[in-house]
Amino acid sequence: DGGITQSPKYLFRKEGQNVTLSCEQNLNHDAMYWYRQDPGQGLRLIYYSQIVNDFQKGDIAEGYSVSREKKESFPLTVTSAQKNPTAFYLCASSAPPTGWHQPQHFGDGTRLSIL
Amino acid sequence: GNSVTQMEGPVTLSEEAFLTINCTYTATGYPSLFWYVQYPGEGLQLLLKATKADDKGSNKGFEATYRKETTSFHLEKGSVQVSDSAVYFCALTRSRQFYFGTGTSLTVIP
Repeated sequence: DGGITQSPKYLFRKEGQNVTLSCEQNLNHDAMYWYRQDPGQGLRLIYYSQIVNDFQKGDIAEGYSVSREKKESFPLTVTSAQKNPTAFYLCASSAPPTGWHQPQHFGDGTRLSIL
Repeated sequence: GNSVTQMEGPVTLSEEAFLTINCTYTATGYPSLFWYVQYPGEGLQLLLKATKADDKGSNKGFEATYRKETTSFHLEKGSVQVSDSAVYFCALTRSRQFYFGTGTSLTVIP
């Protein structure tokens, strides 16, 4: 079955450390997204990519970086500059530009905590 | 701009009660509208969608009708079950962007 795989499910970061969250999709979707979700809160957009080798900042990009070298993969790096990284991170993808009215599909998330 | 406003939670209902979660939107043009459900510790799952005015999306007993005149997309279910306990998000897509409400937590008690 096609879907989005996020790994790891749980991740711990030490002070001053960068960590990378993996997101892989086999839905053949062009667009991919990263969201942050804090307890009891909605989703906030970190970065998105509409095509390979291109990405744009979302509402809360500071302290995060991404790459999009392959259509299937959109890893998110949480850098040491992100002072409050503890949150639930969700990756999503959506259909090609011709299907912009199609919904996003989500992975199962990665929970990041500070050690 | 584009935005989604949904009913504040948490909502607590008894099993077999009627559910309504209100959602209104602001958007230019003709957005598509969605309801997502999130179970604890999981990602969001698409529950239903509607792509044009007067469309009714339905799934697993849940329904929502795209009302352009009131800019609303309220979620309803006639008889909730304990297994419906989750957080529900209303969302829209417009101009290649997605906009989410803040989520409404539902707890159904036996």
